[in-house]
Amino acid sequence: GAGVSQSPSNKVTEKGKDVELRCDPISGHTALYWYRQRLGQGLEFLIYFQGNSAPDKSGLPSDRFSAERTGESVSTLTIQRTQQEDSAVYLCASSPGGGEWETQYFGPGTRLLVL
Amino acid sequence: AQTVTQSQPEMSVQEAETVTLSCTYDTSENNYYLFWYKQPPSRQMILVIRQEAYKQQNATENRFSVNFQKAAKSFSLKISDSQLGDTAMYFCAFMKQFRGGADGLTFGKGTHLIIQP
Repeated sequence: GAGVSQSPSNKVTEKGKDVELRCDPISGHTALYWYRQRLGQGLEFLIYFQGNSAPDKSGLPSDRFSAERTGESVSTLTIQRTQQEDSAVYLCASSPGGGEWETQYFGPGTRLLVL
Repeated sequence: AQTVTQSQPEMSVQEAETVTLSCTYDTSENNYYLFWYKQPPSRQMILVIRQEAYKQQNATENRFSVNFQKAAKSFSLKISDSQLGDTAMYFCAFMKQFRGGADGLTFGKGTHLIIQP
């Protein structure tokens, strides 16, 4: 079946603009995760959704970052007033519920460049 | 908070050789999962292998196996008969276990593995 998809693949924006990144999880997966990967670094956990709710938003880097999920499906990560330090690859992952919730399946990521 | 340390930024071996990537972690949790993910230049994160902390037996997946030492908080990955397609970044990751829920992964900074022909 289809894997996790993300759009756009690449995004170039100017400092101060808002951007929206989209994630479509694997159908039926109840949990969804967002990560940030800066150049040459490991992944940094941002937020996860269990269904449509996000129990813990403390991983978001600042109040310029927000995320939502609707219909237990697609999620959007919004970055307002982008800064150059927001440049990174943003990866989304999903996992099924039940007995396999701990295995996360990743999308290809969105590479964000803030000029 | 958990931390994951990968002390080898880059490794290079010849095709068909065996290579071991090291990973150590720090946690006060007793129940958790450990993972190795592979990230080729395509950026796609691919699960290589996982280990449940409550299992003493080391996980294996074909040419990939782990050496899990819970007391030492060590979780190394061994790749046997290495192939050119194994060239990638390899990330060690930790997830604490709790009932019926989800949680984010804590990643190390990665090891860039290069398989030479």
